[in-house]
Amino acid sequence: AQTVTQSQPEMSVQEAETVTLSCTYDTSESDYYLFWYKQPPSRQMILVIRQEAYKQQNATENRFSVNFQKAAKSFSLKISDSQLGDAAMYFCAYSRSGGGADGLTFGKGTHLIIQP
Amino acid sequence: GAGVSQSPRYKVAKRGQDVALRCDPISGHVSLFWYQQALGQGPEFLTYFQNEAQLDKSGLPSDRFFAERPEGSVSTLKIQRTQQEDSAVYLCASSLETGGTYEQYFGPGTRLTVT
Repeated sequence: AQTVTQSQPEMSVQEAETVTLSCTYDTSESDYYLFWYKQPPSRQMILVIRQEAYKQQNATENRFSVNFQKAAKSFSLKISDSQLGDAAMYFCAYSRSGGGADGLTFGKGTHLIIQP
Repeated sequence: GAGVSQSPRYKVAKRGQDVALRCDPISGHVSLFWYQQALGQGPEFLTYFQNEAQLDKSGLPSDRFFAERPEGSVSTLKIQRTQQEDSAVYLCASSLETGGTYEQYFGPGTRLTVT
């Protein structure tokens, strides 16, 4: 079975600074998908960024980028120029099929605090 | 357009009662998922529908949990004889198609408290 581990229960960063959230996973599959989701206090989960395992290039979405190390099974999220609106729970997730045809396996989450 | 909606948003049940939680996916979305999120934890997969067919129910914790999607649109998660350990937020998500490029869109969840 796949597992996703987030070892940082809480992270704090000053506004406008850069923060990196860690995630490791375990799978025997060679093709899979990884995601970072954001869950603000209202609890609606929002997709931040996704990475296909077969792609060498790290995904980037505006201020959000990932460092995907397939051999190390590591998938960290870097948030640049942190903003107050980035404060939320962040969940790393794994999918074998890409999200449309199988349930996501989530980590326990990292609570990100943005200090003004 | 409208996102995934869930009702009720909050439900308090006495231990032993049956509850039904509703999910309205985004119109036209083929795939529908249910997750259980305990306090301070990440969501855990419960079950998956492709249209009206329940293709995976491996995450349902016991036979007290039952889900259906009879017309391939609205889905209901039913919990019989609720127990305190069932207290959690129940999240529903839908996806347009079943391929790898399709994102799961989540609803706001139903917070179930069993007293």
